[in-house]
Amino acid sequence: DAGVIQSPRHEVTEMGQEVTLRCKPISGHDYLFWYRQTMMRGLELLIYFNNNVPIDDSGMPEDRFSAKMPNASFSTLKIQPSEPRDSAVYFCASRPGQGNEQFFGPGTRLTVL
Amino acid sequence: GENVEQHPSTLSVQEGDSAVIKCTYSDSASNYFPWYKQELGKRPQLIIDIRSNVGEKKDQRIAVTLNKTAKHFSLHITETQPEDSAVYFCAASPTDSSYKLIFGSGTRLLVRP
Repeated sequence: DAGVIQSPRHEVTEMGQEVTLRCKPISGHDYLFWYRQTMMRGLELLIYFNNNVPIDDSGMPEDRFSAKMPNASFSTLKIQPSEPRDSAVYFCASRPGQGNEQFFGPGTRLTVL
Repeated sequence: GENVEQHPSTLSVQEGDSAVIKCTYSDSASNYFPWYKQELGKRPQLIIDIRSNVGEKKDQRIAVTLNKTAKHFSLHITETQPEDSAVYFCAASPTDSSYKLIFGSGTRLLVRP
């Protein structure tokens, strides 16, 4: 298995632009998580899905952030409009229904100028 | 909700010495405690985990201990090697959602050759 796949790996955009981050979980995994990592706030859970359904979005910072999972093999995290304080590394992770380990993707480093 | 405190934030040891990282959690009913290692520019990866019905778990040079009464758990690395240098994160699963992980703030471990 290729593991969790994220794209793009790096994104540089200007304030006010829309940003879409993409994730393909490991095949057969029922849970998908989106995290944001910054020096100041560490690793924060933004939202997670179970069988494509959003279960807990309490970590989503504000209405500018939205996430979708249209099918079992694809999820997006969208920021519109983006702001410089959104600059961070965004990780996607997945885990199977049985078992506890979360498998992280390589992350997307987002820079908003 | 669950809160996880981790310390120290940085730790420098001589190669061959032991390293200990400590975490405390707030939700007394939390039952799963993983440790992740993140090398520079890489994704977090699980190195060891423990469930609340176990007091200690060991895997070669790495061990984790759990004190449920005091609500703290620790990572022990013996005979440290330069390749152990990384950021280590502890985490806990809160009882309101056992599929979530709440991460500590991380410990940057430097092993001096």
